[in-house]
Amino acid sequence: TQLLEQSPQFLSIQEGENLTVYCNSSSVFSSLQWYRQEPGEGPVLLVTVVTGGEVKKLKRLTFQFGDARKDSSLHITAAQPGDTGLYLCAGIHNFNKFYFGSGTKLNVKP
Amino acid sequence: EAGVAQSPRYKIIEKRQSVAFWCNPISGHATLYWYQQILGQGPKLLIQFQNNGVVDDSQLPKDRFSAERLKGVDSTLKIQPAKLEDSAVYLCASRRLRGRTTGELFFGEGSRLTVL
Repeated sequence: TQLLEQSPQFLSIQEGENLTVYCNSSSVFSSLQWYRQEPGEGPVLLVTVVTGGEVKKLKRLTFQFGDARKDSSLHITAAQPGDTGLYLCAGIHNFNKFYFGSGTKLNVKP
Repeated sequence: EAGVAQSPRYKIIEKRQSVAFWCNPISGHATLYWYQQILGQGPKLLIQFQNNGVVDDSQLPKDRFSAERLKGVDSTLKIQPAKLEDSAVYLCASRRLRGRTTGELFFGEGSRLTVL
C-alpha cells in the first residue's frame, strides 16, 4: 500500500486545458516534493514545499501544500504536449526519508 | 557534474535466476536510495544508505534481495532467486546531506528487469 495516494491515476486532455492533480495522505510530512518522470528516465524534481499552506508557482504550474502538511495539489494552466509525463508527489519524513505517491499519468494531446 | 550512473539498463532472466544491479551516485552524495518501480506506479523504497551504513531497509524482501554500499560510494542490489513479480524498473537515487533541509533526489535512468 502507498503512503500517499494520488488522483486521478490517469488524465488525458487537450492542449490548452487546465488540470489539477491531488496528493493525499494521513501522515504529516516535514516537506513535500513533486517530480515529473518521462518514459525511460528517472524522476526529476519540480518543486519543494515546506510550510503548511504554502503556494509556489513555476510558470504555468502552481503547487500548494495543505495547511496540515498532509496533502498537496498541482495545478497546470493551459497544458501543453511537453507537460506529458508521470507526475509523482513525494512526502518527506525527517528531511531524509522520501515516500512516493502512486503517480498520475498525464497525456496532453495537441 | 556527472549524474547517477546505473547498469545494466535492461536485463531479462528466467525465474529463480539471480541478477545484480550497480549504481554509482553523484560524487559527494552521502545518501543513496534504491527504489522499485512497477510499470505505471510510483517508486517504492527498498533500501536507504547513508555513507556505507543502512538507514532503512524495512521494505526490502530480505529472503531474496540484498544490497551493499562498500566504501560509501557505489552500490549493488542483488536479487536471488528472482520471481515473476520482481519485474520492474530499479531506480537508484542519491542526495547530498543537508542537515535539516530536504534537498533533492537525483535519479539514474533505472535498470529495467523482466523475469520470465
